[in-house]
Amino acid sequence: KQEVTQIPAALSVPEGENLVLNCSFTDSAIYNLQWFRQDPGKGLTSLLLIQSSQREQTSGRLNASLDKSSGRSTLYIAASQPGDSATYLCAVSPSGTYKYIFGTGTRLKVLA
Amino acid sequence: DAGVTQSPTHLIKTRGQQVTLRCSPKSGHDTVSWYQQALGQGPQFIFQYYEEEERQRGNFPDRFSGHQFPNYSSELNVNALLLGDSALYLCASSLEVKSSYNSPLHFGNGTRLTVT
Repeated sequence: KQEVTQIPAALSVPEGENLVLNCSFTDSAIYNLQWFRQDPGKGLTSLLLIQSSQREQTSGRLNASLDKSSGRSTLYIAASQPGDSATYLCAVSPSGTYKYIFGTGTRLKVLA
Repeated sequence: DAGVTQSPTHLIKTRGQQVTLRCSPKSGHDTVSWYQQALGQGPQFIFQYYEEEERQRGNFPDRFSGHQFPNYSSELNVNALLLGDSALYLCASSLEVKSSYNSPLHFGNGTRLTVT
């Protein structure tokens, strides 16, 4: 059974720091992995999608890597800003399914 | 470009009642998935609709049912509401890719359901 874990559960950093959010999954048979951002009481905004054949994806200050064999992904945020404060969720799409399985998220607070 | 829209935004119901939630997918998308998100948890997959058929279902009881219309919009129905059904219900749309399952999800802002 696929399980997704995110560490840390919460993180508070001063503005300008570079930070890394971690995601691990138990079964390497996935189609892709997607990182999302969720603001309080809102829906999810897609940040990056990494296909199973890819190692990383970049968008602006965000970089996500995928190591399928070890069941790990990291989201790197460069030069963090207060506007980055949100909950970050990773989700994997297991092979042979149409669903995504989510972690419980990392709640990030960037202090001005 | 219209994103995923959901209605209503908030809903309060009593135990035992029935509820219908609605979703319009992002323009150009043909697949709709529904997720339930309890407070402090990640979203849990309920089911996915494609070509007006439910093609995969998560671990949810038959009280949860859905429908997809020819214009790709969708409804989620929950019967015999329980207190534990209180959650944020999220609709996500995507574009079917015949050669693979690798289609990113686009979410709406959700419907907050409170069961009293």
